[in-house]
Amino acid sequence: DSGVTQTPKHLITATGQRVTLRCSPRSGDLSVYWYQQSLDQGLQFLIQYYNGEERAKGNILERFSAQQFPDLHSELNLSSLELGDSALYFCASSVDLGSQETQYFGPGTRLLVL
Amino acid sequence: ELKVEQNPLFLSMQEGKNYTIYCNYSTTSDRLYWYRQDPGKSLESLFVLLSNGAVKQEGRLMASLDTKARLSTLHITAAVHDLSATYFCAVAWGNDMRFGAGTRLTVKP
Repeated sequence: DSGVTQTPKHLITATGQRVTLRCSPRSGDLSVYWYQQSLDQGLQFLIQYYNGEERAKGNILERFSAQQFPDLHSELNLSSLELGDSALYFCASSVDLGSQETQYFGPGTRLLVL
Repeated sequence: ELKVEQNPLFLSMQEGKNYTIYCNYSTTSDRLYWYRQDPGKSLESLFVLLSNGAVKQEGRLMASLDTKARLSTLHITAAVHDLSATYFCAVAWGNDMRFGAGTRLTVKP
């Protein structure tokens, strides 16, 4: 158990809908990362937050947004969902911003868009 | 555009043998990561390599980085069944990061 929790574990929804994925980092970790893993596009880095502020942005669609709250949990919002958004969404956390920091991954949320 | 290529994509090896997974990337980068993913599971961080010539080892896995050649290797020594998994490299470029397609490793007795 990495200490990172994600909810829900599974999510089934329809095209055009909006969903929110939640991530609670390990106790004491200030940095949260979001990743998407799909059969079509493989693993992609989406976005990173550090202590409530956005710090790095990867290949995240405009329909997607994220935030990190004062209690350090993070939410990834996916809107106007398309079939191609079906994927595993992982979050990870690390203590600090430093590039040497080990990331600890949550179990993921499996999203299926029908 | 930053491109990351891993090879091989599939690797079947016998226990006790050595092998190397390669990760090539297209643009100068300041850090490179290796991850492991077991089937149906999440990711696990293995190594972070920051500088040219960096070498890190954990158990039977050793990762190295040659920034001039834009190449990282993950060497497996005397493979055991527990190492069966998919291994990903990821290259960071500024505030972005790109992953390789992964190498699915199967270690057979």
